[in-house]
Amino acid sequence: QKEVEQNSGPLSVPEGAIASLNCTYSDRGSQSFFWYRQYSGKSPELIMFIYSNGDKEDGRFTAQLNKASQYVSLLIRDSQPSDSATYLCAVLNSGYALNFGKGTSLLVTP
Amino acid sequence: DGGITQSPKYLFRKEGQNVTLSCEQNLNHDAMYWYRQDPGQGLRLIYYSQIVNDFQKGDIAEGYSVSREKKESFPLTVTSAQKNPTAFYLCASSIGYNYNEQFFGPGTRLTVL
Repeated sequence: QKEVEQNSGPLSVPEGAIASLNCTYSDRGSQSFFWYRQYSGKSPELIMFIYSNGDKEDGRFTAQLNKASQYVSLLIRDSQPSDSATYLCAVLNSGYALNFGKGTSLLVTP
Repeated sequence: DGGITQSPKYLFRKEGQNVTLSCEQNLNHDAMYWYRQDPGQGLRLIYYSQIVNDFQKGDIAEGYSVSREKKESFPLTVTSAQKNPTAFYLCASSIGYNYNEQFFGPGTRLTVL
């Protein structure tokens, strides 16, 4: 079974701080990695994807990928209360569908 | 507006009934997917379709059926054989098989009475 692991949290950070969300995966052959944000009762929203080792920045979000360590992370700079949500890490294993972690709950406190 | 629509938003089913969940997209995407989400759990793949008139089982296909007669539509039927159908059902689509960014519809919350 190919696993995607996330700390369930909740991760609590003060407003304006950097939130760091982490994800590990078991399939060394994985090529594509995604971060989704899911508000309570809503569907997941794609916020970042990364295919190559290193960092990818988009606004306040940075995705970091280390394939040797089988580790992908999401940094949220200048965290806002509106960032409070569950963040799902997803990994493309076999070319057709995503394997999701259970998500990390983030709480940004004013 | 381009997007993915799912209906109904809420659905209640009695024991032994089949129900069909609708998923429509106007993004001109070739690939479509059905996932199930249980509280505190990640999404699990039920079925996926790469092109019209073709679909494959995902990890938890038992008790479910699908059809893909049109590019825009990928309905999911939850049959009476699905023993624990209460869940949040999410439809997604992507440009194609080799384009991996998947976009989700708003979901259907199914409850068995």
